[in-house]
Amino acid sequence: KAGVTQTPRYLIKTRGQQVTLSCSPISGHRSVSWYQQTPGQGLQFLFEYFSETQRNKGNFPGRFSGRQFSNSRSEMNVSTLELGDSALYLCASSLEAGGAYNEQFFGPGTRLTVL
Amino acid sequence: QKEVEQNSGPLSVPEGAIASLNCTYSDRGSQSFFWYRQYSGKSPELIMFIYSNGDKEDGRFTAQLNKASQYVSLLIRDSQPSDSATYLCAVTYRGNQFYFGTGTSLTVIP
Repeated sequence: KAGVTQTPRYLIKTRGQQVTLSCSPISGHRSVSWYQQTPGQGLQFLFEYFSETQRNKGNFPGRFSGRQFSNSRSEMNVSTLELGDSALYLCASSLEAGGAYNEQFFGPGTRLTVL
Repeated sequence: QKEVEQNSGPLSVPEGAIASLNCTYSDRGSQSFFWYRQYSGKSPELIMFIYSNGDKEDGRFTAQLNKASQYVSLLIRDSQPSDSATYLCAVTYRGNQFYFGTGTSLTVIP
């Protein structure tokens, strides 16, 4: 079974631009979560989607948004990029939401560099 | 605020020794507990999870959970240089939102 895939793997943008990252979960998984990882900050939760609905949202500004499609694929968008948005963005999928016992499996991540 | 605390390390152990990684969490309602391993430049990979008090063994790995003390640990027996990585503790509380610690860096010295 194929794992979680993320595209693109690397991205370089300049301040003020916007970016869209894509995540395809493991086949059959309906929940997709997004995280930002920076040195020293660890994994910061951005949001989680299940059945095209945002179920949870972390403490990030409105410049960060996401959506999920009917095939469970998800995208996240960052508008008006800032230097501090440079990070590894990780997507994780799990079988379903609403339960406490669902393991999350991570994709390889998208390394975003903002110049 | 749900907090997950880990000693950032670095933790160094000789090859063949037992590595002990610890994690505490703040919310008594936390329901499930996960350990992830992350190699430098890679994404986290799930090692094991535990839901009930006590020990759970999987190969060289043992997870220990003590809900009364709000403490979860990971023991790695017969540590190998390939175990050198950052280990992330994660906790879930009602629903699918994971709360991660900042990780403990482990170095196994040959």
